[in-house]
Amino acid sequence: GAVVSQHPSRVICKSGTSVKIECRSLDFQATTMFWYRQFPKKSLMLMATSNEGSKATYEQGVEKDKFLINHASLTLSTLTVTSAHPEDSSFYICSASPRDRGLYEQYFGPGTRLTVT
Amino acid sequence: AQKVTQAQTEISVVEKEDVTLDCVYETRDTTYYLFWYKQPPSGELVFLIRRNSFDEQNEISGRYSWNFQKSTSSFNFTITASQVVDSAVYFCALPLGGYNKLIFGAGTRLAVHP
Repeated sequence: GAVVSQHPSRVICKSGTSVKIECRSLDFQATTMFWYRQFPKKSLMLMATSNEGSKATYEQGVEKDKFLINHASLTLSTLTVTSAHPEDSSFYICSASPRDRGLYEQYFGPGTRLTVT
Repeated sequence: AQKVTQAQTEISVVEKEDVTLDCVYETRDTTYYLFWYKQPPSGELVFLIRRNSFDEQNEISGRYSWNFQKSTSSFNFTITASQVVDSAVYFCALPLGGYNKLIFGAGTRLAVHP
């Protein structure tokens, strides 16, 4: 099956620092990856769509300069939370769509729990 | 507008009870997919089913079954003879238009007690 990994699984950082989260498709190439955010006991909220080789498309209300997304290859997308603050603490989940499959196939990573102190 | 409503915030049952999780959706699309995902305490989303709007047949997979009713825009999920391992948050989801990005419902937290 299609496997998506995220690294790190948990990270604690100090306010004002930047944190990078990696999302990798391990056994398939993904032209499109998605980044979601989930607050405790809440639903997943789509943050942005990451397309290989082009700029990410952000959802309304998501700060582009705050959440930098880079999709440098067909197997890797990164989300960098810049100048993190406690309100950025959340569970971040990525997903990836295989380039050679039909529409709507999407595989989720295990998530990264970010805590900003 | 695309919207997914899961009105049941939390459900608590005793093991071996049957339980149905409701999902009501709104979409402008004439053809679409619907999804159910399970999120156990570990946090990882587990894919359960993808359903095409063309196919209104009910689907059964072991103890899981899904009832898709286009007339009422519902895609309900039933767990038969629930087990403690079924305890999780369950999300219903709908793709946004012709894109892959998913709109999730608020989720239903299911607690199955021994």
